[in-house]
Amino acid sequence: QKEVEQDPGPLSVPEGAIVSLNCTYSNSAFQYFMWYRQYSRKGPELLMYTYSSGNKEDGRFTAQVDKSSKYISLFIRDSQPSDSATYLCAMSAYNYGQNFVFGPGTRLSVLP
Amino acid sequence: GAVVSQHPSRVICKSGTSVKIECRSLDFQATTMFWYRQFPKQSLMLMATSNEGSKATYEQGVEKDKFLINHASLTLSTLTVTSAHPEDSSFYICSARPRQGPYNEQFFGPGTRLTVL
Repeated sequence: QKEVEQDPGPLSVPEGAIVSLNCTYSNSAFQYFMWYRQYSRKGPELLMYTYSSGNKEDGRFTAQVDKSSKYISLFIRDSQPSDSATYLCAMSAYNYGQNFVFGPGTRLSVLP
Repeated sequence: GAVVSQHPSRVICKSGTSVKIECRSLDFQATTMFWYRQFPKQSLMLMATSNEGSKATYEQGVEKDKFLINHASLTLSTLTVTSAHPEDSSFYICSARPRQGPYNEQFFGPGTRLTVL
């Protein structure tokens, strides 16, 4: 079993739809959870950063963490064609020197 | 703020040559920089972690003599791919962890696409 699993997609939705992206993980030591957006041939950019369980909202984006289920989600409301990208989840344990573990990424296409 | 640059953005070289990629944190000091490799439609794979002024720590399976990393200052790290071969063709991305701020924060560079002929 991979440490972080994510449906690679591709996921195609119409403009304006609500998008749900998910990751599951196996390491219960993970406490920091990130979502990155990566456009084609570009470096990832941080979208959301959460610590431990709970929800965090930023504009059209909502991140949810359920540590009991080892499951994290990113919701995108009112999706736009400009949201078309690959979304990577990443996580780490609160431990000096612990580095990120990335999911494989989900390719999202928002169709106009 | 928190901008990381990489140079060059794209490089094509002949097999057997060496290629140097620079990663710079433009507006912050980075205690740690990371080098990742990403193959098409795959996620980022950590290659090595470098701390300013000390030797890099390489992930299992990454040849330290082939991928030379120098972290000479708090704003610059370089990755040199020595004697490059076609199988080294990939997208190389660096990230930098700020000296101040949330410990687990990383900012990524735009990546360097290496093609070895």
